[in-house]
Amino acid sequence: EMVMTQSPATLSVSPGESATLSCRASQSISSNLAWYQQKVGQPPRLLMYGASTRATGIPDRFSGSGSGTEFTLTINSLQSEDFADYYCQQYDIWPLTFGGGTRVEV
Amino acid sequence: EVQLLESGGGLVQPGGSLRLSCAASGFTFNSYAMSWVRRAPGKGLEWVSSISTTGGKTYFADSVKGRFTISRDNPKNTLYLQMKNLRAEDTAVYYCAKGGGMDFDYWGQGTLVTVSS
Repeated sequence: EMVMTQSPATLSVSPGESATLSCRASQSISSNLAWYQQKVGQPPRLLMYGASTRATGIPDRFSGSGSGTEFTLTINSLQSEDFADYYCQQYDIWPLTFGGGTRVEV
Repeated sequence: EVQLLESGGGLVQPGGSLRLSCAASGFTFNSYAMSWVRRAPGKGLEWVSSISTTGGKTYFADSVKGRFTISRDNPKNTLYLQMKNLRAEDTAVYYCAKGGGMDFDYWGQGTLVTVSS
């Protein structure tokens, strides 16, 4: 099974600052990676696919990078609505697997 | 507008069964793989199962293999998850998601399954 490891588990930042979230795959997954945002009481929302392509309606302060085993989600100029849980997910191989998540908090 | 509406969750005793449904609208249902993903209390997201467009191929997480069955009724635009021999660790919010084998671009609001005596 492809193990996805996210770091840090919790990231404390202030509004207006930038946040960098990391995701590491146990083996190469090329660019077959997605990022999701989940707020309390809401379903996850797709942010990125193909490691670096923003999903429909996602603001350009969100950016993704990486390939192979190392991936990064960067959120520039954090807004109040960006404080949430973030998950990476690989779709290179079955079973599909998610990282453990990063909570971005104030 | 894509809409996914789950139903069928509830309280069930360990060893019991439950069937979840997901009514889809706003897209050509039979053109997309579909999936179930869950989030247990205090835990992260866990992929559960996916099904191909025709239902001919199904995939399961090891944690549910042999206990859960996924199916779809394309004329009814509905996805199902039949869950048997439920365990306490199956307690979670279950989400229906559009996609399977790639990213999940749309999600339902989820339905809560609680396994407890």
